[in-house]
Amino acid sequence: QPVLTQPPSASGTPGQRVFVSCSGSNSNIGMNYVHWYQQVPGKAPKLLISRNNQRPSGVPDRFSGSKSGTSASLAISGLRSEDEADYYCAARDASLSGVIFGGGTKLTVL
Amino acid sequence: QVHLVQSGAEVKKPGASVKVSCKASGYTFTDYYIHWVRQAPGQGLEWMGCINPSRGDTYSAQEFQGRVTMTSDTSISTAYMDLSSLTSDDTALYYCATDTAYDQFDYWGQGTLLTVSS
Repeated sequence: QPVLTQPPSASGTPGQRVFVSCSGSNSNIGMNYVHWYQQVPGKAPKLLISRNNQRPSGVPDRFSGSKSGTSASLAISGLRSEDEADYYCAARDASLSGVIFGGGTKLTVL
Repeated sequence: QVHLVQSGAEVKKPGASVKVSCKASGYTFTDYYIHWVRQAPGQGLEWMGCINPSRGDTYSAQEFQGRVTMTSDTSISTAYMDLSSLTSDDTALYYCATDTAYDQFDYWGQGTLLTVSS
């Protein structure tokens, strides 16, 4: 049972804006940065959003992240077919003394 | 340009050990931690642990303590992850990844598939 809770699935039509939530606790999201990863089937994960809301070089500005208290959210605007992938949130957990991942959200572009 | 190249697929019997390598290039190897993350078939990502190649200190997830050994050879910019007492539950893709700051995994290896089967 992942410590960070994500919805197992999300969907949207091209051009829509979708959100993926990530819920944690004071020992992880509440006190540490949240990072988001995109994993296309058959590929290694890719860093999508770092330190809550920073986009690494090359990541389109359609992707954005936010954090409030013990929850974080990934927003994808102008949804495109190539955004169909699994999305994972991650953060350090002070109690577990390590990095934890959410269970992942499978995004389907209808 | 940062690249992490991992060793090839492995097939092991239950009870055996496996050693996966991760060769880094494009940056100073001792500048960044290397983390190991695994993904069982059809499942999510699971953090296993990390190593600081500069000092050699390691940190591992509780569920792997006593079974995982992480090392590095700075002369060839390569990190290793050794997992012992394998069971079928260890069948997974194993990834290495660099951590440039704040536990963000900026660059990933291509993954090494481990199959544990009798």
